[in-house]
Amino acid sequence: RKEVEQDPGPFNVPEGATVAFNCTYSNSASQSFFWYRQDCRKEPKLLMSVYSSGNEDGRFTAQLNRASQYISLLIRDSKLSDSATYLCVVNRISGSARQLTFGSGTQLTVLP
Amino acid sequence: DVKVTQSSRYLVKRTGEKVFLECVQDMDHENMFWYRQDPGLGLRLIYFSYDVKMKEKGDIPEGYSVSREKKERFSLILESASTNQTSMYLCASSFTGGDGYTFGSGTRLTVV
Repeated sequence: RKEVEQDPGPFNVPEGATVAFNCTYSNSASQSFFWYRQDCRKEPKLLMSVYSSGNEDGRFTAQLNRASQYISLLIRDSKLSDSATYLCVVNRISGSARQLTFGSGTQLTVLP
Repeated sequence: DVKVTQSSRYLVKRTGEKVFLECVQDMDHENMFWYRQDPGLGLRLIYFSYDVKMKEKGDIPEGYSVSREKKERFSLILESASTNQTSMYLCASSFTGGDGYTFGSGTRLTVV
């Protein structure tokens, strides 16, 4: 079983739509959770951290369910510029440095 | 203001060549990481370093080695390049205890 699993998509949605991505992780000891965004042929960039209480940043809302080991990202009022791959990321305490484990990503295309 | 710099954006090498990929960060981060990214497989950790001259194996270290002689520089070495090492290589750095990574823009390596 992969440490972090995501639906690869692709998700094709019209502008203005609301879209949700889900992610599950296998390590119950994980403590830190993130969503990264990766544009085509670019490096991943941190979109937002995910907190137990849930958090919102403009049109983006992230939720964490520790009991189910489940993370979600909701994008409201989708823009063309939201088209990217969204990576679910979970920390792993292993070795001498905190490491991040990345899901394979969910591809989003927002259509005009 | 580029913070993590990878020396080459695109690289083509022949099978059997020794290949050096360089990464430099200017944020005084303790931790540095090398990942490779392949379609459908996501980012996979090759090696990481939590201090100068310290290194630890990630999930897929076979065929690779690393060097960290200075805090700001982390080099990935392919001892004898093979075609299955054709990939996008991403370097990242982070503070110990900090949230998230900063990535370089990646090196797309093709081994022919």
